[in-house]
Amino acid sequence: GAVVSQHPSRVICKSGTSVKIECRSLDFQATTMFWYRQFPKQSLMLMATSNEGSKATYEQGVEKDKFLINHASLTLSTLTVTSAHPEDSSFYICSAREYSNQPQHFGDGTRLSIL
Amino acid sequence: RKEVEQDPGPFNVPEGATVAFNCTYSNSASQSFFWYRQDCRKEPKLLMSVYSSGNEDGRFTAQLNRASQYISLLIRDSKLSDSATYLCVVNRGVNFGNEKLTFGTGTRLTIIP
Repeated sequence: GAVVSQHPSRVICKSGTSVKIECRSLDFQATTMFWYRQFPKQSLMLMATSNEGSKATYEQGVEKDKFLINHASLTLSTLTVTSAHPEDSSFYICSAREYSNQPQHFGDGTRLSIL
Repeated sequence: RKEVEQDPGPFNVPEGATVAFNCTYSNSASQSFFWYRQDCRKEPKLLMSVYSSGNEDGRFTAQLNRASQYISLLIRDSKLSDSATYLCVVNRGVNFGNEKLTFGTGTRLTIIP
């Protein structure tokens, strides 16, 4: 089945650090990738949608200058949390799909803890 | 009102029992519907899509009522391995291919031996 790999799986760092998370589709070309965030006891929330080679579309309330998304190739998208603060601590998860009529396949998530 | 609402549970049921989950959604323009399963601290995995005519996959049956904006999932002959959080997911994208999945907070199920 389709596999999406996310790295790193766990990050603990100091406030003010920028953190980059990678999302890779391993056995298919992902024309679209999605980034989600899940706070404890809350639902997964879509942050942004990125199509390969174009700028990401951010959901309302998500700061594009704080959460930089780069989808430079059909197999890789990155999310950079710039100058992270404790309130950015969350579970970040990406998903990818090959074609628009196919389901999203999720990566195994990155647990980010900002001290 | 939340876009997708689910009973958070927890549901603790004995092995072999039948269990049903319900979900309601607020956006009547929603295009497609899914049930995902999420194990503790893991990524969500697609369990099944939900079609207007209702659909079945083994022990799992999903139903959609567009008029009531209601989705259900029935699990028959529950197994220990069914223990997980079940997420009701609605695609609120307006156009085909413009996918915006909205997740419910999930219903936690524990199957008791």
